[in-house]
Amino acid sequence: SYVLTQPPSVSVAPGQTARITCWGDNNGGKTVHWYQQKTGQAPVLVIYDDRDRPSGIPERFSGSNSGSTATLTISRVEAGDEADYYCQVWDSRGVFGGGTKLTVL
Amino acid sequence: QVTLRESGPALVKPTQTLTLTCTFSGFSLTTSGMSVSWVRQPPGKALEWLALIDWDDAKSYSASLKTRLTISKDTSKNQVVLSMTNVDPVDTATYFCARTVKVGYNYRHPYFDYWGQGVLVTVSS
Repeated sequence: SYVLTQPPSVSVAPGQTARITCWGDNNGGKTVHWYQQKTGQAPVLVIYDDRDRPSGIPERFSGSNSGSTATLTISRVEAGDEADYYCQVWDSRGVFGGGTKLTVL
Repeated sequence: QVTLRESGPALVKPTQTLTLTCTFSGFSLTTSGMSVSWVRQPPGKALEWLALIDWDDAKSYSASLKTRLTISKDTSKNQVVLSMTNVDPVDTATYFCARTVKVGYNYRHPYFDYWGQGVLVTVSS
């Protein structure tokens, strides 16, 4: 089965840039979507189709997909961005990465 | 305004069948391209996709759980139902339903744009 690998944790100071990666066997052939999940809440879609933002998501959130690695970039990180982030692809079935905990120092 | 709400038992005994209902509004599962998925999350762990049902009643299941899951829809009630047989304590999780975008380009690259708040199900004797 297809596996997506994310770093367990990323830490960044407020105002800095956070980058969360998502590695798959061949992400270049798959479109990656990203979700933010704050403690005790349902996931929220923040990036779809590698780089598109749903309405209401700040421009500080951006995505890219190059080769086997997709990246979620959060610029000018704020305390409210602290959350778990999950990447997701479709491989005949839904596949989620293991999640990355973003800590704002 | 799209909303989804999960409902079901908070506690189920091992070997029983778990039945969860997703009641939604703001869209219709009779509309071409509409789909609903179920996703679960054990306490402190990652999201796990379980099943999907399309507007035309096509269904997809997690490979590891396929033999235990059944997804169905009742378009007159705007509901999607997920049944899981022979539950075990490892099935303890929060279960979410989510509207799934599976149209056009995203037919092969679906994503989940609206989620319910989830329902916590504990499997214990």
